Amino acid sequence: ETGVTQTPRHLVMGMTNKKSLKCEQHLGHNAMYWYKQSAKKPLELMFVYSLEERVENNSVPSRFSPECPNSSHLFLHLHTLQPEDSALYLCASSQGGGLAGANVLTFGAGSRLTVL
Amino acid sequence: GEDVEQSLFLSVREGDSSVINCTYTDSSSTYLYWYKQEPGAGLQLLTYIFSNMDMKQDQRLTVLLNKKDKHLSLRIADTQTGDSAIYFCAARAIYNQGGKLIFGQGTELSVKP
Repeated sequence: ETGVTQTPRHLVMGMTNKKSLKCEQHLGHNAMYWYKQSAKKPLELMFVYSLEERVENNSVPSRFSPECPNSSHLFLHLHTLQPEDSALYLCASSQGGGLAGANVLTFGAGSRLTVL
Repeated sequence: GEDVEQSLFLSVREGDSSVINCTYTDSSSTYLYWYKQEPGAGLQLLTYIFSNMDMKQDQRLTVLLNKKDKHLSLRIADTQTGDSAIYFCAARAIYNQGGKLIFGQGTELSVKP
């Protein structure tokens, strides 16, 4: 248990469904992240929230919609996804999130998404 | 922008040393990291090194940094079957790209008994 909890661990959805991924951190961190992990590819940073404000949005399609209601919770809302969106979605948190220091990320176990 | 490259696979025998290599492109990278991912789990930080260091040792792990060649390596001594996992290298350039971590594609380490 890393202190970052992701639910659900597995999700299968059709292209017309709407679903959400949830992340919760119990570490008192003030920055949270969504990454996409596809096989044999570098981790792709999707979104960054620092102090509940979105500070990074890496040209992610609008069918992915993040929400950060407070510093402990992060959601990724999914709608009209494509089969190529099937991947492991990792949530992470860190203390600082700014330019100083090592900004060590603590990851959750991930949500495995399959889009049919 | 920063690009981080790793070889995809490494296979070693139990008890041997493993060396996982990584190259990065941004010479202003100030922190370099090694993360481990076991099956069905997220990434777990193993260690990180600040760019003013050449080497860092932590029990069975030794990190070597060659700033001139922009090359980072992770050596695991006396490799065990429990070390089988995917190892990710990451680089952080504080004054470039907003200081975000850029990850490589991961090296899958297979340890044979």
